[in-house]
Amino acid sequence: DTGVSQDPRHKITKRGQNVTFRCDPISEHNRLYWYRQTLGQGPEFLTYFQNEAQLEKSRLLSDRFSAERPKGSFSTLEIQRTEQGDSAMYLCASSTRPLGASAPNYGYTFGSGTRLTVV
Amino acid sequence: EDKVVQSPLSLVVHEGDTVTLNCSYEVTNFRSLLWYKQEKKAPTFLFMLTSSGIEKKSGRLSSILDKKELFSILNITATQTGDSAVYLCAVYQGGSEKLVFGKGTKLTVNP
Repeated sequence: DTGVSQDPRHKITKRGQNVTFRCDPISEHNRLYWYRQTLGQGPEFLTYFQNEAQLEKSRLLSDRFSAERPKGSFSTLEIQRTEQGDSAMYLCASSTRPLGASAPNYGYTFGSGTRLTVV
Repeated sequence: EDKVVQSPLSLVVHEGDTVTLNCSYEVTNFRSLLWYKQEKKAPTFLFMLTSSGIEKKSGRLSSILDKKELFSILNITATQTGDSAVYLCAVYQGGSEKLVFGKGTKLTVNP
């Protein structure tokens, strides 16, 4: 499978625990994005990496959230002291081109997501 | 505040019907509009629209953008049960790498 891979697929955790998710982008993709999607909503942008540099962060990314992409390949998203409001699907996407590039079939490639449930 | 509004939020049709999904937007520095299909998990890319009035087509799906009136429509003709999904509209703004998504339209196609 050469798509974007996310692990785990599901995570149930108790409130107050820390969780970490992993995203493996398509191998030649240097751009990586994290989104959060709650039930009945569209995905909301969290953060963006180009290679290992974190170039953009949303205000949604509170102090409890941290993302890394240490070698410019896979990325991790950690949530500390989870709250029930953190329950959501966390989606990762990758691409080779900036969004502004003109391409007839352009689009992020999304992974299948990690569904987090905080109880 | 930047926003993308989709309508209807939910739609139930019978196989063979034609549907039109709507997406309106109010964003600063608009660059392009994208449509995605989300079945169970990963959104999959359908179209990217940058210019007004130019229809994009892929099989039974087509889409067009009106930059003056700030909206786009996604048409699906001769719907099939496999078209059942959430259709997401997203806008790309210049100066950022993020997409701003609408809430989606949940389409159910009954046999």
